[in-house]
Amino acid sequence: RKEVEQDPGPFNVPEGATVAFNCTYSNSASQSFFWYRQDCRKEPKLLMSVYSSGNEDGRFTAQLNRASQYISLLIRDSKLSDSATYLCVVNIGYGGATNKLIFGTGTLLAVQP
Amino acid sequence: GAGVSQSPSNKVTEKGKDVELRCDPISGHTALYWYRQRLGQGLEFLIYFQGNSAPDKSGLPSDRFSAERTGESVSTLTIQRTQQEDSAVYLCASRPREGAFGYTFGSGTRLTVV
Repeated sequence: RKEVEQDPGPFNVPEGATVAFNCTYSNSASQSFFWYRQDCRKEPKLLMSVYSSGNEDGRFTAQLNRASQYISLLIRDSKLSDSATYLCVVNIGYGGATNKLIFGTGTLLAVQP
Repeated sequence: GAGVSQSPSNKVTEKGKDVELRCDPISGHTALYWYRQRLGQGLEFLIYFQGNSAPDKSGLPSDRFSAERTGESVSTLTIQRTQQEDSAVYLCASRPREGAFGYTFGSGTRLTVV
């Protein structure tokens, strides 16, 4: 089983739609959680951290369920510029010699005009 | 510089040759990571450096891969006797300090082994 699993998509949605991505992780010792965005042939960039209480940044809302080891990202009012691959990311370890980000394979979003 | 700098941006090499990839992290960033991303795939962790601690090499796929970092500055990733399956984008990331999660990635080195 992969450490971080995501639906690869693609998700094809019209502009203005609401779209949700889900992710599960296998390591219960995971400490921190993130969504990264990766544009085609570019490096990943941090979109937002994910907190247990849930958090929102403009049109983006992230949720974490530690009991179910489940993370979600909701994008409201999709824009063409939201088209990208969204990577679910988990931080394994905190301090010491092991402290690394484990990436899901990503979910491809294509927002159509 | 303002960001993580990687060189070369592209490298084409013949199978069996050695290659060296370079990463200049953001000044003052104590942690440095190498990842590999094959075409159409996710990022694979390779190695992690944190200050003067022993590096976490658990992601290196074989003994043909090695990496070094001098203090908190430049890191080099060396691949010996390259194979076609080594073709990928090699990404370097740095972050400010233990407990800080603002990882910044470089734009990567696209390695093609022919």
